[in-house]
Parts: sequence; structure tokens; C-alpha cells
Amino acid sequence: GAGVSQTPSNKVTEKGKYVELRCDPISGHTALYWYRQSLGQGPEFLIYFQGTGAADDSGLPNDRFFAVRPEGSVSTLKIQRTERGDSAVYLCASSRAPGNQETQYFGPGTRLLVL
Amino acid sequence: DQQVKQNSPSLSVQEGRISILNCDYTNSMFDYFLWYKKYPAEGPTFLISISSIKDKNEDGRFTVFLNKSAKHLSLHIVPSQPGDSAVYFCAASSFLTGGFKTIFGAGTRLFVKA
Repeated sequence: GAGVSQTPSNKVTEKGKYVELRCDPISGHTALYWYRQSLGQGPEFLIYFQGTGAADDSGLPNDRFFAVRPEGSVSTLKIQRTERGDSAVYLCASSRAPGNQETQYFGPGTRLLVL
Repeated sequence: DQQVKQNSPSLSVQEGRISILNCDYTNSMFDYFLWYKKYPAEGPTFLISISSIKDKNEDGRFTVFLNKSAKHLSLHIVPSQPGDSAVYFCAASSFLTGGFKTIFGAGTRLFVKA
């Protein structure tokens, strides 16, 4: 079956621009997570959705970051006024149900480079 | 403040021998621990997990050991194979204090030499 997909795979933008990163979770998975992975680090939690609602957005670094999941499936991570420090791999994961013991399945990530 | 630490950035092992990857954590409320494996240009893939009520979980060539008193866990791979060469992330979560948030270590790159 299809896994988690993310588009684009790579995104190069200029400082100050707006970007959108898309995640298509595994069909039927109700929980969706966004992570950010900087070079030499592990994935860092950003936000978690249960259905359409953001159940935990405590990892979003500031108000330039926002994510939506309007129909409980596809999610979009939006970054306004991008900064060079936003350069990282943005990973999306989904799980069948909510719960910290549910296996999260990761997409390949979107590599964002802010010049 | 790093709650999950993997102090060895890399590890090199001969094919057929045992690989031991280590992880330390600071939050005593963590109740679930996981290991993920990551190949270049791919997302992390779940490998094995252990609940805090256990001290060992085994799945084929992979065994995870948990020492709660030392706040330490380890992943043993035996025998190691060249295809095991990847970055391994240790991760932990606590439903009571962190909801569904999973905290990852920085990873250990394993090289298995043929």
C-alpha cells in the first residue's frame, strides 16, 4: 500500500518568502505529525493533528509557522517570512490512531533551503 | 535541554558481529521507547519498541534493553549485516506529561563492514 508522501521533495526559497509543504498520510490514519530535522539532529516535534484539529502545537517555534488539516487527511505546513534558520528537512508522519504507543510512519521529507 | 541523548555519533562494526547502540534519557516520566532506522533521502522507519514495564524486547536480530534505574536503553543487532548500515534514532514519549509528543535523540550512524 501507499506510504506517507510529501511534496515537494526539495524547496529552495529566498529569505522573507512564504512556503507551503504538503503531506499525504496513509489512507485511514487519523493522527498526523510534523517534525523538523536539522543537520546532525534527530527529528524535532512541531505539531500533532487528531482528525482535523491540532491537538498539540507546542513544538511550533513561533507564529510564522502554521499547519492545517481541513478534511482530516492531507495536511499543509505553512511558513511565513522564511528565515535562513528555517532551512531543514520537514518530516511528516501518520499513525492509525492517536496514542504514544502507536507506530508512526514517516514520509521521505521535504528539504527546505532558505537563501 | 536534551531529554534523549545518543552520545556516539557513529559506530563501525564488522559483518556478523554484534552492534550495540546506546541511548540515555533524563525524563523519568517517559513510559515508551522506540528505535527508528533511517537511510539517506528516506524518512525514519520504525524498528522496535519497548514499554517501561518491560526490560527487554526481542524481534529477530534486534533486541532492545531498558534499564530504568540508569535511565538507559540499548539496541543490540546480532548478527550485523551490511544492509543494517544506517542512522539509528532512539526516541521516547510519555503520555502523562507529553501527550503524543515523541522526543528523538540526535542519532548514531552505524557502519557495518563486509
